[in-house]
Amino acid sequence: QVQLLESGPGLVKPSETLSLTCTVSAGSISDYFWSWIRQSPGKGLEWIGYIYYTGSTKYNPSLKSRVTMSVDTSRNQFSLKLRSVTAADTAVYYCARGILLDYYYMDVWGKGTSVTVSS
Amino acid sequence: SYELTQPPSLSVSPGQTASITCSGDPLGDRSTFWYHQKPGQSPVLVIYLDTNRPSGIPERFSGSHFGNTATLTISGTQAMDEADYYCQAWDNNHVLFGGGTKLTIL
Repeated sequence: QVQLLESGPGLVKPSETLSLTCTVSAGSISDYFWSWIRQSPGKGLEWIGYIYYTGSTKYNPSLKSRVTMSVDTSRNQFSLKLRSVTAADTAVYYCARGILLDYYYMDVWGKGTSVTVSS
Repeated sequence: SYELTQPPSLSVSPGQTASITCSGDPLGDRSTFWYHQKPGQSPVLVIYLDTNRPSGIPERFSGSHFGNTATLTISGTQAMDEADYYCQAWDNNHVLFGGGTKLTIL
């Protein structure tokens, strides 16, 4: 069964860049659309965007100006960069495997990693 | 605000049926997906393409979709079903989530 593991700093200073990596194990990164989703404390889920193993991306319009996703197929990893962070970006960040046809959904999720934005 | 509307909370007694609705214009011609999230855990897919259960999801979970409203039904609820439930759709090439429903088993 494929497993996803998020990694990255748990604390980021305001105005800096949040950088996270998701490592895919027991499965190939090919042929799926890999998403990042976040959840602010006590709040609901917010989709950040997805990346295909070819590097093609789709971002949430509300975050698009600050987000960059990348993929490293040799390491079975994909990454998220969120620039110019503020306290509002404090959240648990999840990576997930997505299936895209005429619809898109996420069938496997990582355990999540907590990121706090604070000086 | 969320384009998909869910009731914030729902309480049922063990053994009763819980029905969680998700409504919004994007659902008119889009499939709906449902996740549950237990405290401190990551979301888990429980229904895909409106009515289908992934492997490992109990039969007491079912889904339906009519017009702009999708419904997740949990028959014979158990204490372990206490969780937050989120609906999700794919609209205009973007993922939409509902605001979530906190299901409490009294």
